[in-house]
Amino acid sequence: GAVVSQHPSWVICKSGTSVKIECRSLDFQATTMFWYRQFPKQSLMLMATSNEGSKATYEQGVEKDKFLINHASLTLSTLTVTSAHPEDSSFYICSAIGLSGDTKGGYTFGSGTRLTVV
Amino acid sequence: SQELEQSPQSLIVQEGKNLTINCTSSKTLYGLYWYKQKYGEGLIFLMMLQKGGEEKSHEKITAKLDEKKQQSSLHITASQPSHAGIYLCGADNQAGTALIFGKGTTLSVSS
Repeated sequence: GAVVSQHPSWVICKSGTSVKIECRSLDFQATTMFWYRQFPKQSLMLMATSNEGSKATYEQGVEKDKFLINHASLTLSTLTVTSAHPEDSSFYICSAIGLSGDTKGGYTFGSGTRLTVV
Repeated sequence: SQELEQSPQSLIVQEGKNLTINCTSSKTLYGLYWYKQKYGEGLIFLMMLQKGGEEKSHEKITAKLDEKKQQSSLHITASQPSHAGIYLCGADNQAGTALIFGKGTTLSVSS
């Protein structure tokens, strides 16, 4: 079945540094990737939508210069948290959809990345 | 924009009891998805409903979508400790767009 591999699963970084999170679709072509953020005891909040080869579309209130999204190929999308601060600490998770029939239920989720900024 | 209301927010049931979680959309939706999550982990896909009046079952979990495609329920029969977790409903309003999620229902099953 459709699999999205997300790395790293957890990362601790110092305040002011940048962190890159990768999502790879292993057995299908991810035409669209979605990036979500989840705070403790809360639901998933959509941050941005990216289509392969295009600039990402960010949700209202999400700083595009802080959360850089690149979707350069049909199998890889990256989220870079630039100049991270403690308030960026959160659980980040990606989701991908591909061509019709490639993905069970339409959307395939990565396993998430827990980012802690100290 | 579309909003999903989930209820209850949390639920504690005794092992063996049945339970229902509801998800209501502010707009007619295209597809309704149910996921289970352990906090801080990825989502486990449960079921997708797309047709008004549709009902799907898998093991002891049944999900229904109303005719108007604005409300869904997830029913667990004879709950077990393995059913514990966070249940999330997600919906899209057209194919290829992002899922928007409800706030989730935290289920605890006491043995």
